Amino acid sequence: SQTIHQWPATLVQPVGSPLSLECTVEGTSNPNLYWYRQAAGRGLQLLFYSVGIGQISSEVPQNLSASRPQDRQFILSSKKLLLSDSGFYLCAWSVRGGNEKLFFGSGTQLSVL
Amino acid sequence: TQLLEQSPQFLSIQEGENLTVYCNSSSVFSSLQWYRQEPGEGPVLLVTVVTGGEVKKLKRLTFQFGDARKDSSLHITAAQPGDTGLYLCAGPIASGSRLTFGEGTQLTVNP
Repeated sequence: SQTIHQWPATLVQPVGSPLSLECTVEGTSNPNLYWYRQAAGRGLQLLFYSVGIGQISSEVPQNLSASRPQDRQFILSSKKLLLSDSGFYLCAWSVRGGNEKLFFGSGTQLSVL
Repeated sequence: TQLLEQSPQFLSIQEGENLTVYCNSSSVFSSLQWYRQEPGEGPVLLVTVVTGGEVKKLKRLTFQFGDARKDSSLHITAAQPGDTGLYLCAGPIASGSRLTFGEGTQLTVNP
C-alpha cells in the first residue's frame, strides 16, 4: 500500500533562518507531488506541484522554493523565512494521469517568530 | 477570487441533528471531491462526484453533484461528535493535475 511521510510535524524557526521540509512517498512510482499551505481552519493554497523529477511548477510568487531530486521525494525550502511564512504545510501525492484524488501527509506546523 | 465558495463557514450543532453544507461555483467542474480534515492532520478524501445530478451515500453522509456540475452539497443525518472536522470541497482546474479547494466548513457536533 502507498504511504506518505512528512517531517517534521512541528517547527519553530526565527525570522531570517533557512527552511527545509521533506516529504517522501512509498509504494507508488511516478506520482504527482504537491505542496499546499493552510491558514488555521481554512482552505488549502497550492504552492508547488511536480509531475516528474526536476519538474516544478510554482502557483504563487513567494519566499519559498521546491525541489524534486528523486521520483518520490519532494522538498520545500526557503533561504530566509518571513513571519508570513508561518502556517500548516501539507505534502500530497496523486496518481499521474489519474483522477486527481489527493493523498495527504500529516502536515508540518511552522511557526516563524 | 475563490473558484469554490463553501457555506456556512462555521456550523455548531447538537448530536442527533441533521445538517447540510454547500459548495458553489460559477464554473463547471468535471468532478468535485469532498475531504474531511481533523486538527493537526491532513485532509482525507471522502468521495468524488463525477456525473451531474449524481448522489452518493457514505453511511450517514449524502453527497450530491448539481445537474449543471457547478455545485455540490453534503448532508449529514443524525450527526455525531465523530463527525466534527473541517469539510473541504475541491475540484480540478486547468489541465486537471491540480485541485482548487474551497475555504471549508468547520463543523462542531456537541454531545
